[in-house]
Amino acid sequence: SAVISQKPSRDICQRGTSLTIQCQVDSQVTMMFWYRQQPGQSLTLIATANQGSEATYESGFVIDKFPISRPNLTFSTLTVSNMSPEDSSIYLCSGTIGSAGGAWAGELFFGEGSRLTVL
Amino acid sequence: AQSVTQPDIHITVSEGASLELRCNYSYGATPYLFWYVQSPGQGLQLLLKYFSGDTLVQGIKGFEAEFKRSQSSFNLRKPSVHWSDAAEYFCAVGLNFGNEKLTFGTGTRLTIIP
Repeated sequence: SAVISQKPSRDICQRGTSLTIQCQVDSQVTMMFWYRQQPGQSLTLIATANQGSEATYESGFVIDKFPISRPNLTFSTLTVSNMSPEDSSIYLCSGTIGSAGGAWAGELFFGEGSRLTVL
Repeated sequence: AQSVTQPDIHITVSEGASLELRCNYSYGATPYLFWYVQSPGQGLQLLLKYFSGDTLVQGIKGFEAEFKRSQSSFNLRKPSVHWSDAAEYFCAVGLNFGNEKLTFGTGTRLTIIP
């Protein structure tokens, strides 16, 4: 299993500013993902954080708005740039572990989320 | 692309009563199916998962789910709910190794009344 820690857990930000969320995993995970959960909504995948290379973004999300880094197997950051009130959401980091045989171990672990409020 | 439907936005159940949360998926092959629970202010915790084999899957906290291919369903059940089960429940579908992105349903909020 994996324990995922996120910082900050919550923040209140001003319009036009940027905020970086950190995600630390206590073990090496195969893949890391960033999800967004808007108020009262389900989770939407923002991107896959790739180690040492550019993240892979889902439709509707772009690198200029949500730059992501993943320098190693246990750490990633998501920046929410030039924030507007529409960016007020919970941002969740997640990771998955592959088994020794190469197959997916079949669980996506989640951090507790970073709740951003943009005024 | 795969999709997940949770038709019930909000369910209220009396403590001690049985529970069934519905989940339907759309995918050409048999996907990997999951149920997650999110308590207020918390991240998501995996309740159970189905990959293959026995279509009745046992999970944590007394939950179980049954995969029915003919109905494209993966409903979550619990014979007797506890007040601590009040939370948001998400059904999710995944593909395979190398593509472990999950698509989540819209969630069902469970309220427990005494």
